[in-house]
Amino acid sequence: DIQMTQSPSSLSASVGDRVTITCRASQSIKNYLNWYQQKPGKAPKLLIYAASSLQSGVPLRFSGSGSGTDFTLTISSLQPEDFATYYCQQSNSPPPYTFGQGTKLEIK
Amino acid sequence: QVQLQESGPGLVKPSETLSLTCTVSGGSISSYYWSWVRQPPVKGLEWIGYIYYSGSTSYNPSLKSRVTISVDTSKNQLSLKLTSVTAADTAVYYCARGPTSKSYYYYYMDVWGKGTTVTVSS
Repeated sequence: DIQMTQSPSSLSASVGDRVTITCRASQSIKNYLNWYQQKPGKAPKLLIYAASSLQSGVPLRFSGSGSGTDFTLTISSLQPEDFATYYCQQSNSPPPYTFGQGTKLEIK
Repeated sequence: QVQLQESGPGLVKPSETLSLTCTVSGGSISSYYWSWVRQPPVKGLEWIGYIYYSGSTSYNPSLKSRVTISVDTSKNQLSLKLTSVTAADTAVYYCARGPTSKSYYYYYMDVWGKGTTVTVSS
């Protein structure tokens, strides 16, 4: 199985900060990489698919980049509603699809 | 818009079978892939498997010997069965909509149910 490693595991930041979360795959996955946001007690929400495509309805302050093994999720200016846990997920074929361990973004 | 609702017993005894249903409303089950994903308490997400509306499936090898996902297009429902459960199967179980076949290689999940908590305990 392809292992996905996110860094950092947790992060403290302030409203208005620019934040970057990294996801590394154990082998090349081209651009088969998706990002989700999860708030406590809620289901995950798709933010970015195909490494850099913004899901409909997601604010423009979210962006994704990368290909091969290294990927980033960037939030350009943190808003109070962005404090959550973020997961990357690879969709290289064949399955299984695997997630990173998550990055918890907390208020400083 | 499309909504998903998981349902099933919240408590299952060890060695028994976990059975969940996901009802799709506001849209058709046709043309899409559908997945089950679970999340143990205070842990990350684990993909269980998917089913295409036509019935083809793919399962996580870590669960493959115990899992079956099925679809009933007439009822707009998909189902999950997990046999021989242990405490390690205690989790919130989510159903989620995957892509159409056109976007299969970018297997993203864009609509999720609220999840249902299943506890395995005697």
